[in-house]
Amino acid sequence: KAGVTQTPRYLIKTRGQQVTLSCSPISGHRSVSWYQQTPGQGLQFLFEYFSETQRNKGNFPGRFSGRQFSNSRSEMNVSTLELGDSALYLCASSLDLRGEQYFGPGTRLTVT
Amino acid sequence: AQSVTQPDIHITVSEGASLELRCNYSYGATPYLFWYVQSPGQGLQLLLKYFSGDTLVQGIKGFEAEFKRSQSSFNLRKPSVHWSDAAEYFCAVVEGGGADGLTFGKGTHLIIQP
Repeated sequence: KAGVTQTPRYLIKTRGQQVTLSCSPISGHRSVSWYQQTPGQGLQFLFEYFSETQRNKGNFPGRFSGRQFSNSRSEMNVSTLELGDSALYLCASSLDLRGEQYFGPGTRLTVT
Repeated sequence: AQSVTQPDIHITVSEGASLELRCNYSYGATPYLFWYVQSPGQGLQLLLKYFSGDTLVQGIKGFEAEFKRSQSSFNLRKPSVHWSDAAEYFCAVVEGGGADGLTFGKGTHLIIQP
């Protein structure tokens, strides 16, 4: 069974731009979560989607948003990029809410 | 709020020696606990999990962890490390009935000496 895939793997954007990251979960998994990883703050929870609905949200500004499609694929969007948004963005999928999460390889976003 | 503490930022172990990585947490009533490993430039790989039942759980790659409710700990162990175990290790917790995502510790960087 294929694992979690994330596209693109690497991205360079300019401050003020917006970006969309994509995540395809493991087949059959209905829950998708997003995390931000930085050297200073470590791994932080962004949000979780289940059945196309946002179920949980971490402590991030409204510039961070996401959605989930009927096939469970998910996208996250960051608008008005700031230098501090440079990070590794990890997507994780699980069968359902509260199940063990399986992570993708991440998207490395660099904001210049 | 939940929190996870991994007291050791770096640990150096000789190849073939035993390993124990510490993890302490604060939580609500029903913690679900996990250990993940991350190699450079990679995502996180699940090593093992604890939801309920037997407090000693076995994982992949020869790792095990023991849940001790009285000490709020979930330490990871391996009897004999291999050079390929060098990586970053993260302990994580989620409240079983809660509405938040995983809360991670800051990680422990494991260095293997030949």
